[in-house]
Amino acid sequence: EVQLLESGGGLVQPGGSLRLSCVASGFTFSTYPMTWVRQRPGKGLEWVSTISGSAGGINTYYADSVKGRFTISRDNSESTLSLQMNSLRVEDTAIYYCARVGLGAWFGELPPDYWGQGSLVTVSS
Amino acid sequence: QSVLTQPPSASGTPGQKVTISCSGGSSNIGGNSVNWYQQLPGTAPKLLIYSNNQRPSGVPDRISGSKSGTSGSLAISGLQSEDEADYYCAAWDDTLNGWVFGGGTKLTVL
Repeated sequence: EVQLLESGGGLVQPGGSLRLSCVASGFTFSTYPMTWVRQRPGKGLEWVSTISGSAGGINTYYADSVKGRFTISRDNSESTLSLQMNSLRVEDTAIYYCARVGLGAWFGELPPDYWGQGSLVTVSS
Repeated sequence: QSVLTQPPSASGTPGQKVTISCSGGSSNIGGNSVNWYQQLPGTAPKLLIYSNNQRPSGVPDRISGSKSGTSGSLAISGLQSEDEADYYCAAWDDTLNGWVFGGGTKLTVL
């Protein structure tokens, strides 16, 4: 059974930093691209960042709203996905979901298929 | 402002068929597949439809998807009370090099 368990959320002041982690189990973690999607309170889903799987080298992609402030990474030996969030803003307040991306013939062919339960990040003074 | 456009709400009575639309552009739905998620209150999104019309195992066949040009549709027939949820469309965007989502449609079962 595929499981994704996020941790690391909490309350942080504007300008501060936070690191989210997502521990995966039930599948060969290294093979799959992984992604972070967030949901602001009462709002819709917003893609944040994606990291490729082990085939063909590691590539990372970011939404313009977080580029230069957030860094996605993975530790395949620990089956762990991370999101380092720096220079946090009030508008970064959201539930952050870790999700596995389906394996297709090319990177964006298949969507995120399994999602974690989410980790709440609150940016407030 | 979401890249993909969905109606904010939809409704139907038990047993009816409801359709939710999703409009995009050439860089997303026009060139790539449309996918659909269901989000029940307080829970994570669940994949309902991928690659325009494919259902993951466990999703009933009363739920279907389609795509035409730069738009996609989700149809739910035999509406049940447990279908009351938020529904989101999603597609890969070749210009943004990332996933784009619709703003979500809140489905109410009357």
